[in-house]
Parts: sequence; C-alpha cells; structure tokens
Amino acid sequence: EIVLAQSPGTLSLSPGERATLSCRASQGVSNNYLAWYQQRPDQAPRLLIYGAYTRAAGIPDRFSGSVSGTDFTLTISGLEPEDFAVYYCQQYGSSRTFGQGTKVEIK
Amino acid sequence: QVQLQESGPGLVKPSETLSLTCTVSGYPIYRSFYWGWLRQAPGKGLEWIASFSQSGSPAYNPSLRSRVTISADTSNNLFSLRLSSVTAADTAVYYCARDRAQQYFDSWGRGTLVTVSA
Repeated sequence: EIVLAQSPGTLSLSPGERATLSCRASQGVSNNYLAWYQQRPDQAPRLLIYGAYTRAAGIPDRFSGSVSGTDFTLTISGLEPEDFAVYYCQQYGSSRTFGQGTKVEIK
Repeated sequence: QVQLQESGPGLVKPSETLSLTCTVSGYPIYRSFYWGWLRQAPGKGLEWIASFSQSGSPAYNPSLRSRVTISADTSNNLFSLRLSSVTAADTAVYYCARDRAQQYFDSWGRGTLVTVSA
C-alpha cells in the first residue's frame, strides 16, 4: 500500500499569503496519479487537482500542483477567506489511498 | 450537473450490517463512470471503500473487501453499500461519489453519519 504523508499538519497563514502543502508518497506513484481535495467544515470534499497538475473544472488558477519524484506539492498563490480549510492528497496509481490532511488556518 | 445524496440508518448495532443508498440525479449511472463509497471517521482522514461501474468489475479497498457488497439499481438510478459485521471502528461519515475511471472523485454527496453502537 502506498502511504501518503502530508505536512505540515497545520499551516497558519494570513489572507493573501502563499500556502505550500506537501504530500510525500512512500513509493513512486505511477503516472503521477495524484489528486488534491479541499474540505471545508461540515462539507464534502471538493476535487481541486488531478494528475498532479490539472485543475478540476471551476477551480481558480491560484491553486496549482507540482511534483518532484515522490514529493507532491499543492500551492495556493494568495489565500482567499474561503481557502481556509483542510486539504487532502489522494493517490490512484495503486488502489486508492489518502493522506491524513493539512489544515490551513487563519493566523 | 450530477448530484448525489446518501441515505440510510444513522445507528447500527455492533456485528450487524450497515446499509446505505446513494441516489444520483443529473446523470444515469448505467452510462460511463464508476461510482463509489468513501468514509471519514470522526476527526480522521478519508478512506476509499469500493467502486463499481455497470460496464466493469467492482473494485474494493483490500482492507475492507471481505465485508463489503456494492450494488446498483439502474431503474431508480441509485447504488448501495452493505458493510457486514460492523464494529465501533466503522463509525464514520459515509460519502458516495462519482469515481472517474477508478481514479479520483469529482462529485460528492454531502455525507451521512453512521454510528455503530449498542
């Protein structure tokens, strides 16, 4: 099973700042098959990114994904109030597993 | 636009079977795409349970496979989850979702909390 380790656990930032979230896989993820989701309190997750880089429909371009080896990154270029939430990565290269999440909170 | 809605008992006794239904609107489930179930234990992360497609074989999380049954009722455009021999560890919010080619999940229901308790 591919284990995804997300860091940091909590990120405290101010609106307008840049957020950088990490997701490290325990082994290679075939074809960079990795997605990112946003979950606001008491809401279902929302797909942000798939294939490590591709934004889902309707997702603002301040959200971007990148990869280097087994390290995947989600970057939010300038935090809006609605971006304060929990973010999960999910790999689908071998079965499906999720990371434990990174909470982005208002500083 | 596809919409999904979970329904089912909010309380299940230990050792019994959890049964949930996901009603889909805006897209016929007999067409393309897979459809799946996921869950989130209180304060925890997400866990994929199983997915199916009318045109392919179902796929299961290996850790849950022996207890899971997933089925569809295309005439009513819904699909169902059965999880047998439940314990307190199965207490979670259960989500149904559209599964893009057994890869990622692009539309989700709002989720339903199922508590396992005597």
